[in-house]
Amino acid sequence: QKEVEQDPGPLSVPEGAIVSLNCTYSNSAFQYFMWYRQYSRKGPELLMYTYSSGNKEDGRFTAQVDKSSKYISLFIRDSQPSDSATYLCAMSARGGSEKLVFGKGMKLTVNP
Amino acid sequence: DTAVSQTPKYLVTQMGNDKSIKCEQNLGHDTMYWYKQDSKKFLKIMFSYNNKELIINETVPNRFSPKSPDKAHLNLHINSLELGDSAVYFCASSPAAGGFGYTFGSGTRLTVV
Repeated sequence: QKEVEQDPGPLSVPEGAIVSLNCTYSNSAFQYFMWYRQYSRKGPELLMYTYSSGNKEDGRFTAQVDKSSKYISLFIRDSQPSDSATYLCAMSARGGSEKLVFGKGMKLTVNP
Repeated sequence: DTAVSQTPKYLVTQMGNDKSIKCEQNLGHDTMYWYKQDSKKFLKIMFSYNNKELIINETVPNRFSPKSPDKAHLNLHINSLELGDSAVYFCASSPAAGGFGYTFGSGTRLTVV
């Protein structure tokens, strides 16, 4: 079993839809959880991060962590064509210079 | 002003050649990384340096050799290139302590023919 599992999709939704992206993990030591967005031919950019369990909201984006289920989610409200990208979850046991373990990435297309 | 810059952006080379990729960061971060992203977009760590010291060395063929002349630079040299080395190689940096999440470069797309 891989440490981090993520459905690679692809996922195609109409503009304005609510998008839910998910990852599961097996390593109970993970405490830091991140979502990266990667546009085509670009490097991943940090979108959201959370520490331990709970929710975090930033504009149209909400990140949720459920450590008891080893499950994390990213919700995108009122999705826009500019949200079309690959979304990668990532996690680590410690912050700072600890290595990140990534999911495979989910390719999202938002159609106008 | 690019935070993490890699050169070259594209590299096409023949099997058996030796090539280098360079990375520089101007964020003042202490730690730098090399990640490999395969054709299925899976990102996997290769190496990590903290202030010029190698701290992570994943299971990578010894044809790959990283070098960090100072904490702002991390280069990757690859000997005897093979077809399977074709991938996108990303450099990233992070603070050593406090704060988390990496800043990635835009990648070097390596194609071995």
